[in-house]
Amino acid sequence: GQNIDQPTEMTATEGAIVQINCTYQTSGFNGLFWYQQHAGEAPTFLSYNVLDGLEEKGRFSSFLSRSKGYSYLLLKELQMKDSASYLCAVTGGYNKLIFGAGTRLAVHP
Amino acid sequence: DGGITQSPKYLFRKEGQNVTLSCEQNLNHDAMYWYRQDPGQGLRLIYYSQIVNDFQKGDIAEGYSVSREKKESFPLTVTSAQKNPTAFYLCASSIGNSDYGYTFGSGTRLTVV
Repeated sequence: GQNIDQPTEMTATEGAIVQINCTYQTSGFNGLFWYQQHAGEAPTFLSYNVLDGLEEKGRFSSFLSRSKGYSYLLLKELQMKDSASYLCAVTGGYNKLIFGAGTRLAVHP
Repeated sequence: DGGITQSPKYLFRKEGQNVTLSCEQNLNHDAMYWYRQDPGQGLRLIYYSQIVNDFQKGDIAEGYSVSREKKESFPLTVTSAQKNPTAFYLCASSIGNSDYGYTFGSGTRLTVV
């Protein structure tokens, strides 16, 4: 079967660092995506990991371990606008993406 | 500018009615997808289409129907058989290889009144 787990909610302080974890079990895995979604809006692309290791892109970084079925999204220098849901998604065969339930992040002053 | 357009943004349906949600893309993408999003449940796949005139059921296809007569268009009909249609519906497209991810439309919020 296919299963993706993320924490439901997280809170953090403006200017801090937060790590959002994602574990997955799936067949036909090619890579893992992270999307950001503000309430009532479409998800927007943040990162894509195919190989093991850390991919850094500005304030956001994403890590993948294929052998452990584990990824995390690291957000640095948090800003109020980072308050959103963060969706982990894996390629699930037949060119489909399988999404986790998302992690709702609240950033406080 | 290329993109994917969903309409309407908000839709109200009376019980027993069928409604159709529009999704149009001018990205020349081969594949298109419909997802439903409920609070706390993430995105669940309803239907997807890899090429024109072909589509497959996703995980929650019951009570929904689609067509793919043109590459640009992938409308979703929510039928009266769908027991709990109130949700946020997202359409997406891709070039046909999921390694490139999706481009999403802005969504349609459907409410049964």
